[in-house]
Amino acid sequence: SSELTQDPAVSAALGQTVRITCQGDSLRTYSASWYQQKPRQAPLLVIYGRDNRPSGIPDRFSGSSSGNTASLTITGAQAEDEADYYCKSRDTSGNYVVFGGGTKLTVL
Amino acid sequence: QLQLQESGPGLLKPSETLSLTCTVSGGSITTPTYYWGWIRQPPGKGLGWIGTIYYTGSTYYGPSLKSRVTISVDTSKNQFSLKLNSVTAADTAVYYCARRVYYYDSSGYRHWYFDLWGRGTLVTVSS
Repeated sequence: SSELTQDPAVSAALGQTVRITCQGDSLRTYSASWYQQKPRQAPLLVIYGRDNRPSGIPDRFSGSSSGNTASLTITGAQAEDEADYYCKSRDTSGNYVVFGGGTKLTVL
Repeated sequence: QLQLQESGPGLLKPSETLSLTCTVSGGSITTPTYYWGWIRQPPGKGLGWIGTIYYTGSTYYGPSLKSRVTISVDTSKNQFSLKLNSVTAADTAVYYCARRVYYYDSSGYRHWYFDLWGRGTLVTVSS
């Protein structure tokens, strides 16, 4: 089991704002990064350091954190955003890297 | 532009040793701010961290595979490697190598993340 909990699936209408959450006690101490994974592709970093976007990631992707929850928000979801999204952080001891179980985003 | 490429056998029998290599091209594996990691993904499942290595040879392993894993680095070849012994069908997965980096924010807090990934290689364990 993962120390970071994500909803298995969320859906959003085209152009709607969608929030994907990641919960875990370690998030009170350590920041989360977020990865997008499309079928048969490697994960792609979309958010790091709570709310920073790598070059080339659209500005509709944003991150935030409060208490034990980190969030990835897509403002105006597009069809190409349909993918699995994973959060990553550390476990509560700080010694290990942990991934959330992933959230499958469907854009309707 | 730096790229990572995994290589190694795609089919193993139970009890054999999985050996994969990640070749780093377009940059140096000895860059001080870079760490190098292995992550795997069983078919239809999520991502799992295996371990990380620094170019000096310092290693950090995840708890679930720690007893069976060895990660090493060869700076002369700009490569790092993964060995997982006594494999079973449960080790069937896509194995990714990735670069782990960090930055300091204005508060002096260090944020870690994997910013660059290889394409992954499927390793199947079957008799």
